[in-house]
Amino acid sequence: DQQVKQNSPSLSVQEGRISILNCDYTNSMFDYFLWYKKYPAEGPTFLISISSIKDKNEDGRFTVFLNKSAKHLSLHIVPSQPGDSAVYFCAATIFSSGSARQLTFGSGTQLTVLP
Amino acid sequence: ETGVTQTPRHLVMGMTNKKSLKCEQHLGHNAMYWYKQSAKKPLELMFVYSLEERVENNSVPSRFSPECPNSSHLFLHLHTLQPEDSALYLCASSLGGGSTGELFFGEGSRLTVL
Repeated sequence: DQQVKQNSPSLSVQEGRISILNCDYTNSMFDYFLWYKKYPAEGPTFLISISSIKDKNEDGRFTVFLNKSAKHLSLHIVPSQPGDSAVYFCAATIFSSGSARQLTFGSGTQLTVLP
Repeated sequence: ETGVTQTPRHLVMGMTNKKSLKCEQHLGHNAMYWYKQSAKKPLELMFVYSLEERVENNSVPSRFSPECPNSSHLFLHLHTLQPEDSALYLCASSLGGGSTGELFFGEGSRLTVL
């Protein structure tokens, strides 16, 4: 059973408009959430994160929103650019004082920004 | 030079072969990971090493055997694989302890098992 779900495998958006990528999770113990971006033939790269004590985190064109009651988070990209076209993975984790941290990933959403 | 380097980038092997994937990180991290990415599926965590000790083995078949000789190097030894093991294998590293856990990934090793 997938604990992190990205129900939209793909999304197309016009350049300059807003892209909204969604992610749902089932484990209420998750307290830290991350978004990764992956281009073809490259490894995923970290994009933005949010702690469960916040409901919003912003970094330039990228904003992540967290709704803990709905167990839902979303990534907003405004304005969208063709270079944003990539697969976006949502990930979640349980904060631990141990020496390694495990991330549970969603299956990804392919974003295509049309010029 | 990227922070996390994986070799080879592509590997084709038969079911009776023995091969190894190599990962090297130059970031001073103390935790390293192997993930498997199959088409249209989430990244699956295979192994976690922290301070060179294996701390997680997510029910991975014994035909996959990890090795972490030091905090900068991680290997995945492969033997008698099956065609369904064909996938992209991603290595990652992170700072452990109280860090926020961002993983730094390598570019992956694309494995095809014939």
